Amino acid sequence: ETGVTQTPRHLVMGMTNKKSLKCEQHLGHNAMYWYKQSAKKPLELMFVYSLEERVENNSVPSRFSPECPNSSHLFLHLHTLQPEDSALYLCASSQGVQGRDRKYFGPGTRLLVL
Amino acid sequence: SQELEQSPQSLIVQEGKNLTINCTSSKTLYGLYWYKQKYGEGLIFLMMLQKGGEEKSHEKITAKLDEKKQQSSLHITASQPSHAGIYLCGAEEGGSNYKLTFGKGTLLTVNP
Repeated sequence: ETGVTQTPRHLVMGMTNKKSLKCEQHLGHNAMYWYKQSAKKPLELMFVYSLEERVENNSVPSRFSPECPNSSHLFLHLHTLQPEDSALYLCASSQGVQGRDRKYFGPGTRLLVL
Repeated sequence: SQELEQSPQSLIVQEGKNLTINCTSSKTLYGLYWYKQKYGEGLIFLMMLQKGGEEKSHEKITAKLDEKKQQSSLHITASQPSHAGIYLCGAEEGGSNYKLTFGKGTLLTVNP
């Protein structure tokens, strides 16, 4: 238990569906992240939020839409996804956005797009 | 951009054996992180190394950052089935504080 929770843990969706992934951190951190982990690829940073402001959008397609309503919650809204978007989506948080601020990861949401 | 190469990609050892996993960077490492991941789950922080020559240990796991700061090794002594999982190294990208570049991971299997 790292203090970062993600729901749902598993999600199957069609290409025309709209769904949202939720992340919550109970650590009092100020920064939150979305990462994508695909098979046989390195972990990819998608979005970074610091104090509820987006500081990084790492060339992510617009079919992924992040939302950070407060420093404890982070959402990833999904719409018209492609099968290649199937992956493990990991949320993380850290005290700040300094590189040496240790990142705490959630358990991930395993997404399958049919 | 920085790239991290991990070797080996996968490793099968007998319980009780020692093993080493390497992480080599294409650029100077400013901070090197080791994480462990059970299949399909989140990453568990193991250790962070920042200075060339630095060595840290936790239980039976030791990590080192070499003097030239472009390679790190993770050594497990007397491996146990509980050590099985995917080991990932991550490094701070120079000039970008919050970005961590990750290697593809090393899958470790420990046979009882």
